[in-house]
Amino acid sequence: TQLLEQSPQFLSIQEGENLTVYCNSSSVFSSLQWYRQEPGEGPVLLVTVVTGGEVKKLKRLTFQFGDARKDSSLHITAAQPGDTGLYLCAGDASGTYKYIFGTGTRLKVLA
Amino acid sequence: NAGVMQNPRHLVRRRGQEARLRCSPMKGHSHVYWYRQLPEEGLKFMVYLQKENIIDESGMPKERFSAEFPKEGPSILRIQQVVRGDSAAYFCASSPGQENSPLHFGNGTRLTVT
Repeated sequence: TQLLEQSPQFLSIQEGENLTVYCNSSSVFSSLQWYRQEPGEGPVLLVTVVTGGEVKKLKRLTFQFGDARKDSSLHITAAQPGDTGLYLCAGDASGTYKYIFGTGTRLKVLA
Repeated sequence: NAGVMQNPRHLVRRRGQEARLRCSPMKGHSHVYWYRQLPEEGLKFMVYLQKENIIDESGMPKERFSAEFPKEGPSILRIQQVVRGDSAAYFCASSPGQENSPLHFGNGTRLTVT
């Protein structure tokens, strides 16, 4: 059973466009993390959101944690080719440090 | 500070052979995780260990797969009698085991079963 569903699964956009990636679950999470993975490498943490309704910004990336702590979104403003990669959300629904990853969103930004 | 080290980066095994994947966590990290990733897919949880203990192995097949994290030395993911379906990238991550602490990943071992 996949606890974390991401949408869209694939996204191909032109440089300069905006986009939003969603991470949804029926479970409550104490926190959610977002990672980016590039080909041939392991995922790298972008941000952790902890409080329901929290918004965090990382340059052109804006992360939001849902009020009920069941979902999160990642918004990228003015996407650049360097944003290309696999975006993964992850969380611990059981409170036991067992981190489950979402299905992933593969983003390609064309120059 | 050295990051999470995984070796080998690539491993080729014939059907029926054994595969041993090693992971050295970041210094000071007591928790190790193993994930499996197929092409174009996300990460599937396999097992979560602390030193000398398996905490959760609910994502690991009951047969042929085993994992350990001894008091000394790296964590080992062992796959016995490999089959073609075991071909995948296997990622190890470590964390200090504190609430909301992030996972630090190695660059994975790509296992190919011929």
